[in-house]
Amino acid sequence: SQQGEEDPQALSIQEGENATMNCSYKTSINNLQWYRQNSGRGLVHLILIRSNEREKHSGRLRVTLDTSKKSSSLLITASRAADTASYFCATSNTGNQFYFGTGTSLTVIP
Amino acid sequence: NAGVTQTPKFQVLKTGQSMTLQCAQDMNHNSMYWYRQDPGMGLRLIYYSASEGTTDKGEVPNGYNVSRLNKREFSLRLESAAPSQTSVYFCASSEARSNEVQFFGPGTRLTVL
Repeated sequence: SQQGEEDPQALSIQEGENATMNCSYKTSINNLQWYRQNSGRGLVHLILIRSNEREKHSGRLRVTLDTSKKSSSLLITASRAADTASYFCATSNTGNQFYFGTGTSLTVIP
Repeated sequence: NAGVTQTPKFQVLKTGQSMTLQCAQDMNHNSMYWYRQDPGMGLRLIYYSASEGTTDKGEVPNGYNVSRLNKREFSLRLESAAPSQTSVYFCASSEARSNEVQFFGPGTRLTVL
């Protein structure tokens, strides 16, 4: 069973707009990570937020974590065509396993 | 630094055939992982190796075996391929356990007829 579920499944926006995608998970976590996957490629790490953190920034990325609601959001500001990709959240707990969500497919229209 | 490399990139098998997917990393990472990615399912962990000499089952280990040959290399073997194993397979590595950032290879696209 998967830990994370992303919402929406697909998102299409104009270049310059902000993109927000959400992740919900089921059990307690140590940290939550967001990854990007371009079509036909492997996943690339974007940002990690620990369970005791509420918000984190990296360039145009902003991640929030609400452990009481078991949810996280990824905001990409001022989107670019190059941001077109699938985005996955991944959670880990005290075990050795990593659980990935089903992903959000983002299309940024030039 | 090549990062994480996987071979082959593509493979077509007939039902019942066997094959080994190879993975190597040059980042001196302790932990390595094998995932499969199916449409609408995200990534699911098949097996992982927390350190050289150890391997453990993940979420979907049935039909697979693994070998942690040394610190650099982690192979995945399909002894008798089935159509249900048609998928894209990703190898990943991390410095320590799964709480750390994972680095992914480019993937192997496997089709079982």
